[in-house]
Amino acid sequence: GENVEQHPSTLSVQEGDSAVIKCTYSDSASNYFPWYKQELGKRPQLIIDIRSNVGEKKDQRIAVTLNKTAKHFSLHITETQPEDSAVYFCAASITDYKLSFGAGTTVTVRA
Amino acid sequence: DVKVTQSSRYLVKRTGEKVFLECVQDMDHENMFWYRQDPGLGLRLIYFSYDVKMKEKGDIPEGYSVSREKKERFSLILESASTNQTSMYLCATFLTGLHYGYTFGSGTRLTVV
Repeated sequence: GENVEQHPSTLSVQEGDSAVIKCTYSDSASNYFPWYKQELGKRPQLIIDIRSNVGEKKDQRIAVTLNKTAKHFSLHITETQPEDSAVYFCAASITDYKLSFGAGTTVTVRA
Repeated sequence: DVKVTQSSRYLVKRTGEKVFLECVQDMDHENMFWYRQDPGLGLRLIYFSYDVKMKEKGDIPEGYSVSREKKERFSLILESASTNQTSMYLCATFLTGLHYGYTFGSGTRLTVV
């Protein structure tokens, strides 16, 4: 099956700085790559996703890039704020609905 | 908003017990999923169902079974609970359209003693 690796496992950034989380996947047939954010004590929620026919997608302060050749994709958060502190999960899928998740990155934004 | 409701937030069971985790969605969605979440391992798919009475194994089905007798309800069954099944269990449904993606339940933290 699909294997998704995510780095780093923890990330501490100063408020206002950028944060980058990287994921690699193993199955070249994967074509859907969502990112989920899980705040402490809450359920994961989709924040952004990208498909294999697109190289980059932005939504306000967050962006995702995809390199199909290298089989890796990244989440970029600019101008980080305290409410960005959470666990972020990347995922990959061939079918859209059957996701394989990375291990998660705990992001802490320091005031 | 779509609601995915898990019947218990916290559960403590003894080794060897048969455990039922219930999940109910309030929309008419075909696809429902059970994941377990462990620190450092992320979310791992146990089972999913794409229609009533239909099920498919995920990545870690051993020690688990599922039941889907009605479209809105998807149950995860631990046939004989063991301590290594202590975990957070998350149910999800998959949405298309405006709110594309997974909607997760609030989770059940199961402790097996």
